[in-house]
Amino acid sequence: GAVVSQHPSWVICKSGTSVKIECRSLDFQATTMFWYRQFPKQSLMLMATSNEGSKATYEQGVEKDKFLINHASLTLSTLTVTSAHPEDSSFYICSARDRDRDYNEQFFGPGTRLTVL
Amino acid sequence: EDKVVQSPLSLVVHEGDTVTLNCSYEVTNFRSLLWYKQEKKAPTFLFMLTSSGIEKKSGRLSSILDKKELFSILNITATQTGDSAVYLCAVKGGTSYGKLTFGQGTILTVHP
Repeated sequence: GAVVSQHPSWVICKSGTSVKIECRSLDFQATTMFWYRQFPKQSLMLMATSNEGSKATYEQGVEKDKFLINHASLTLSTLTVTSAHPEDSSFYICSARDRDRDYNEQFFGPGTRLTVL
Repeated sequence: EDKVVQSPLSLVVHEGDTVTLNCSYEVTNFRSLLWYKQEKKAPTFLFMLTSSGIEKKSGRLSSILDKKELFSILNITATQTGDSAVYLCAVKGGTSYGKLTFGQGTILTVHP
């Protein structure tokens, strides 16, 4: 149980285009999902916290108009990187908290590697 | 601002060695400390510690938390090449949303 999937697992796009990444909790309901970014040889940096049915909470320095987050259901959150640039190339990972489990547990998706040319 | 610092940043050992990874933290309203292992993809959960002085153990891995001194250690005994990975320490505290603050990680390389 507690499986989180991400789609796509990798994507290459041209500069200026938008890319949507999906994060799904497959066998549990997630009221809260988290989006992280990880640059090579660096740790995970939280970008935003996504709550079902409400606006996402963004970390300091993360542009909410550039990284659009939608959490329309208890099993799906999406991150859209708008007008992507090469510096947005990174590994994007989501995690989800199971509504019915320990408050402290988060389950991570497999990540999406974005390359912007 | 919450802060998590891991040391060493990288470690190279031979199979059979024992390693100790360190994690110190400063966080408002501490709730828990978590250890993850990251290979090529997303982190996989190892331990969650909430109480001071109680060792969590899983096979060759063990971890303990000292809430007074604000640190945790992760021990790996009889290391194997499959233990090579980045080990991440994360702390939960502060907001009600359960945000995790990650340390920069320790890169462990185990040579045969």
